[in-house]
Amino acid sequence: AQSVTQPDIHITVSEGASLELRCNYSYGATPYLFWYVQSPGQGLQLLLKYFSGDTLVQGIKGFEAEFKRSQSSFNLRKPSVHWSDAAEYFCASDSWGKLQFGAGTQVVVTP
Amino acid sequence: GAVVSQHPSWVICKSGTSVKIECRSLDFQATTMFWYRQFPKQSLMLMATSNEGSKATYEQGVEKDKFLINHASLTLSTLTVTSAHPEDSSFYICSAASAGQGAYEQYFGPGTRLTVT
Repeated sequence: AQSVTQPDIHITVSEGASLELRCNYSYGATPYLFWYVQSPGQGLQLLLKYFSGDTLVQGIKGFEAEFKRSQSSFNLRKPSVHWSDAAEYFCASDSWGKLQFGAGTQVVVTP
Repeated sequence: GAVVSQHPSWVICKSGTSVKIECRSLDFQATTMFWYRQFPKQSLMLMATSNEGSKATYEQGVEKDKFLINHASLTLSTLTVTSAHPEDSSFYICSAASAGQGAYEQYFGPGTRLTVT
């Protein structure tokens, strides 16, 4: 079965520093991949998605992600983190019309 | 655009009672709606998929008689937790997708916090 793995449960980063969140998928064909952000007590907001084409995807809030088939990865990056980026981030893939979510990565931003 | 609302945002109920949660797509017609459950510090677990005018499809292990889902119109789906117990306390999130998009473009509601005492 298709699955998504986020190896990092928790990441602490200084404000202004760069951020990279890891996501690995297991699927034979090219998957549809997503990154979502969830603030405490809130629903999910789509940051970006990859269906096909250019492997570097630009999203909202200054985020980007790169699809690497050879590594089965879809890592999320941001060059300079803001305090408002503190949240839970979920990687997800579409599996037969349903979203399969990773366990999530909690991002803490320090001054 | 693509706004999904949920009501209520939080609810406290006594054990044995039923609670209804509404999910509305405010500016588009949602042919498919999804219901998720999220425990603290955990990921989202898909409970069921509902298509307008037809019965919901439940994921394995989800009790269909306990979690009643109705998708009576293109803008409204409801989740009723029947005979709620403390273990049903959780964060329930719905999402909506319009025709031709399926799971590719799901728009999420803000969630409903259910506490059963």
